[in-house]
Amino acid sequence: NAGVMQNPRHLVRRRGQEARLRCSPMKGHSHVYWYRQLPEEGLKFMVYLQKENIIDESGMPKERFSAEFPKEGPSILRIQQVVRGDSAAYFCASSPSVETQYFGPGTRLLVL
Amino acid sequence: GDSVTQMEGPVTLSEEAFLTINCTYTATGYPSLFWYVQYPGEGLQLLLKATKADDKGSNKGFEATYRKETTSFHLEKGSVQVSDSAVYFCALSPSSNTGKLIFGQGTTLQVKP
Repeated sequence: NAGVMQNPRHLVRRRGQEARLRCSPMKGHSHVYWYRQLPEEGLKFMVYLQKENIIDESGMPKERFSAEFPKEGPSILRIQQVVRGDSAAYFCASSPSVETQYFGPGTRLLVL
Repeated sequence: GDSVTQMEGPVTLSEEAFLTINCTYTATGYPSLFWYVQYPGEGLQLLLKATKADDKGSNKGFEATYRKETTSFHLEKGSVQVSDSAVYFCALSPSSNTGKLIFGQGTTLQVKP
């Protein structure tokens, strides 16, 4: 059973561009979480999704950030008009229920 | 709101030394508690967990006991190895439980031969 997959692993964008981060959960997992890790800090919760539904987006910035988990395909975290402060590692986790979460390797976003 | 506080690092130890990384939490109700480990350039791996008071989680020689009276979940290992060098994160899942995790800031452990 493959683990949680994220791509790309590294992403470079210029200010004002869009960033799209993908997360494929483990087989059989219907719960997806996104976290952001700023340099030298712990992970901060962003959003929790189930298939086609956003369950908890209390950690998402109000503007420029959106997330989806369609019926088919990976979960997508989308950042519009990126700014330098968006540079961080973005981690996706999946779980079969609300118990243990399994993390992907992360996408490291660098905004120039 | 709910929060987790870890001892600041880095923690530098010699091989075979005893390890303690302190973790305390603030939460309403009965959260579940976790330790995750992150190796350089990688994602987080679950190390151990405990879901109720007085539970002891253990894995790979690491242990932590859920102490509700002191709101603590300290990580311990009797004899560390160089391969244990990593960043360790304490986390809680609130009892309201959408499953989201609240993390501490992480503690870097360096083990020298």
